[in-house]
Formats: sequence, C-alpha cells, structure tokens
Amino acid sequence: GESVGLHLPTLSVQEGDNSIINCAYSNSASDYFIWYKQESGKGPQFIIDIRSNMDKRQGQRVTVLLNKTVKHLSLQIAATQPGDSAVYFCAENGGRRALTFGSGTRLQVQP
Amino acid sequence: NAGVTQTPKFQVLKTGQSMTLQCAQDMNHNSMYWYRQDPGMGLRLIYYSASEGTTDKGEVPNGYNVSRLNKREFSLRLESAAPSQTSVYFCASSDEGFGEAFFGQGTRLTVV
Repeated sequence: GESVGLHLPTLSVQEGDNSIINCAYSNSASDYFIWYKQESGKGPQFIIDIRSNMDKRQGQRVTVLLNKTVKHLSLQIAATQPGDSAVYFCAENGGRRALTFGSGTRLQVQP
Repeated sequence: NAGVTQTPKFQVLKTGQSMTLQCAQDMNHNSMYWYRQDPGMGLRLIYYSASEGTTDKGEVPNGYNVSRLNKREFSLRLESAAPSQTSVYFCASSDEGFGEAFFGQGTRLTVV
C-alpha cells in the first residue's frame, strides 16, 4: 500500500555539525510534503513544507529537498544545536484530505 | 493565541469504560483531525472532518466515533475502551485538507 517511511530510526550528530534526515514515499500522487519536529511530551510542530512543483526550499537553518524521480525527501539542519534534539517526521498528502506520517527519526545532538 | 486545545491531558480507563476526548481550535480552520501515536511510531489518522457537518474515516477508525460539534470543536469518543486503545491521541486542525496541520499537546490514554 501507499506509505511514507524513513531510512534511519536514530541519528546522532555533534553539536555544530549539519544533520540530514531522509524520507522515502511511495505514493506518486503525493504533491505536498511537510517536516514536523516532535519534542518529548509535546505535539508535532511544523518545520518546513514543500510542494511537488519545487525541488528545494529553505528556511531558517533548515532546507528540504525533494527528488520526485526516486520519491525521496530530505531535511537538512545546518549547525545542529542541542535544542534540535527531537523526533522528526515527514508527512505527505497525496491528493487526500489528511496527512500521512512516516514512523519518525530520532535526532540526538551530542554536546 | 491558544491554537488547538485538548482535554484531558491524561486519562486512565478500565476496559469497557467509555469516555470522550475534547478538542477545540481558535484559528477558524475548516478541517480537523484525530490521530493516535503508539510508542516509537508515527501518527495514524483515526477520523477527520473536512468541514463543519462532515466526518470521514481515516486509517484506524474501529472502536471510535467522532462528532464535529461546530467549526471549533471536534470530539473523539471511545464507547467501550480496550487495552489496544492505550495510546497518545492528538487533535489537529488546518485551513484545508492539503495544508499544514496544527497539533494540540496530546491526551495520554491508558486502558487497563
């Protein structure tokens, strides 16, 4: 069936390094993607989104890349900080009325 | 700005008991959603409401009912709770079904 998944369940990086979190999706009808950050005990928070007519979008310290050819999405975090430690989810909406979430990647930032 | 507010934050139920989880949003959003999140997993859609007066099943609707009381409020009811329904429940809202969803803080439910 259609799914959104992540390659790495846990990513550990040193403070100040760049982080890359990957996501694969299988629904070719997906036209909108979001990255969410979830801290312990809290609800998901929006980080950045991208529509399928774009390949790249930049925010503050974050960049999302979309490769529609291989159905791959990535989130790049520049100069990772301890406050970036959280679980990151990609989500997609392949023309449906609600988001479908991947299983998440835990980012651990080592001081 | 409160955003999305869920009540209660924590609840323990005995098997077979019923309860209603409340959700309200103050962003004038048309669409509202209920998700559940099990340990180490992503969020799975239970039900959603694209607009006031409409509700639709999501990925895991069995054992739940919903009511879109008005544009602001969307409640989730467990008629006869089961241990398999132990989870964290998140309510969310968005301007439209295709856009960014804003989430509440979650309700941690344990069924014993």
